[in-house]
Amino acid sequence: AQSVTQLDSHVSVSEGTPVLLRCNYSSSYSPSLFWYVQHPNKGLQLLLKYTSAATLVKGINGFEAEFKKSETSFHLTKPSAHMSDAAEYFCVVLRGSQGNLIFGKGTKLSVKP
Amino acid sequence: DGGITQSPKYLFRKEGQNVTLSCEQNLNHDAMYWYRQDPGQGLRLIYYSQIVNDFQKGDIAEGYSVSREKKESFPLTVTSAQKNPTAFYLCASRWGSNTEAFFGQGTRLTVV
Repeated sequence: AQSVTQLDSHVSVSEGTPVLLRCNYSSSYSPSLFWYVQHPNKGLQLLLKYTSAATLVKGINGFEAEFKKSETSFHLTKPSAHMSDAAEYFCVVLRGSQGNLIFGKGTKLSVKP
Repeated sequence: DGGITQSPKYLFRKEGQNVTLSCEQNLNHDAMYWYRQDPGQGLRLIYYSQIVNDFQKGDIAEGYSVSREKKESFPLTVTSAQKNPTAFYLCASRWGSNTEAFFGQGTRLTVV
């Protein structure tokens, strides 16, 4: 069965330092993976997606993620954090033939000035 | 401007009442979804519909009902049978089974 585990419930960085949000997935076949961002009391916005093309995926706002099959990981990174990056981030995998989305529990990113 | 519209943004319900949350999309997507979000639990699937006049239960359907009479609309009713309805509810839609989902801005339901 497909699932995702976000390894940190909360990450705190200083503005201008790198961001690393970790995600491990479980899938019986080559998965489709996504990262979404949610600002407080808002809907979710797609940051990037992996669908078995290039393993390094570039997204919006300077974020990128690398698909590593050997490690079953899909970590989200950004070279330099900005105050506006403070939000909750969700790693998502598709499940089954109907392709329902399975969400991780989320990682809340705090950015200190 | 294409997108998904959820209304109302905030909703208060007395215990024992049914309430209906609205979700409308003008993206021409076939599939629509309802999720419930609680702090620290991510999003959990309530119901989904891949075509008009058809829908399936998700992981936490008890105490909820839906209809899909039009492609654009997928309302969710929270019934009095739902034991703990206070949560943030998100509606989403997609083109197909291997694509990303687009989300509305959510409805925060509080039982008073």
